[in-house]
Amino acid sequence: QPVLTQSSSASASLGSSVKLTCTLSSGHNTYTIAWHQQQPGKAPRYLMKIQRSGSHNKGSGVPDRFSGSSSGADRYLTISNLQSEDEADYYCETWDSNTPRVFGGGTKLNVL
Amino acid sequence: EVRLVESGGGLVQPGGSLKLSCAGSGFFFSSYEMIWVRQAPGKGLEWVSYIRSGSTAMYYAESVKGRFTISRDSAKNSLSLQMSSLRAEDTAVYYCARVESPAANIDNWGQGTLVTVSS
Repeated sequence: QPVLTQSSSASASLGSSVKLTCTLSSGHNTYTIAWHQQQPGKAPRYLMKIQRSGSHNKGSGVPDRFSGSSSGADRYLTISNLQSEDEADYYCETWDSNTPRVFGGGTKLNVL
Repeated sequence: EVRLVESGGGLVQPGGSLKLSCAGSGFFFSSYEMIWVRQAPGKGLEWVSYIRSGSTAMYYAESVKGRFTISRDSAKNSLSLQMSSLRAEDTAVYYCARVESPAANIDNWGQGTLVTVSS
């Protein structure tokens, strides 16, 4: 089954950009993944899905500051012009015919 | 607007049972696959159970297999999770979520309901 690897934490300054990475395990680098944001004390929120090609489809109401891309086994979430409300946990998700759902361990983003 | 509202959480003793419900609105419930995801205090997301549209197939994480049962009632636009033989490690916020299309990503989440297993 696929495994998703994320850095446990990241930090960036207000107004700057940050690129979060979700890495697919060996043999699964063609998989589509999805990114979800979880602000403190809230439920997760779907942000976008990213395909192997790098094309991405955002959820309703997701600001333009959020974008996605792909390279090999890595799927990226880039947040530009960081705002204080972007401080949150970010999880990636994938699936296949044998594994209904897999989540990465999550990245805690600190906005300085 | 898609809405998912969970209910049924609470405090239960080890070995006890609890049934969670999720009411869906704003979309054609019967057409979508649905999933329960949980989050233990201070931990990440863990999928618990998954059900295909029409209840044609159900799947369970190894940690809950044989103890939890997922079901859906499309006439009532509702999803349920019957939990039995509960353990302390089942303590978590349980989220109901919608899958965008067959074998695809989650695209909507409920607000969650807290289950605490403790004596």
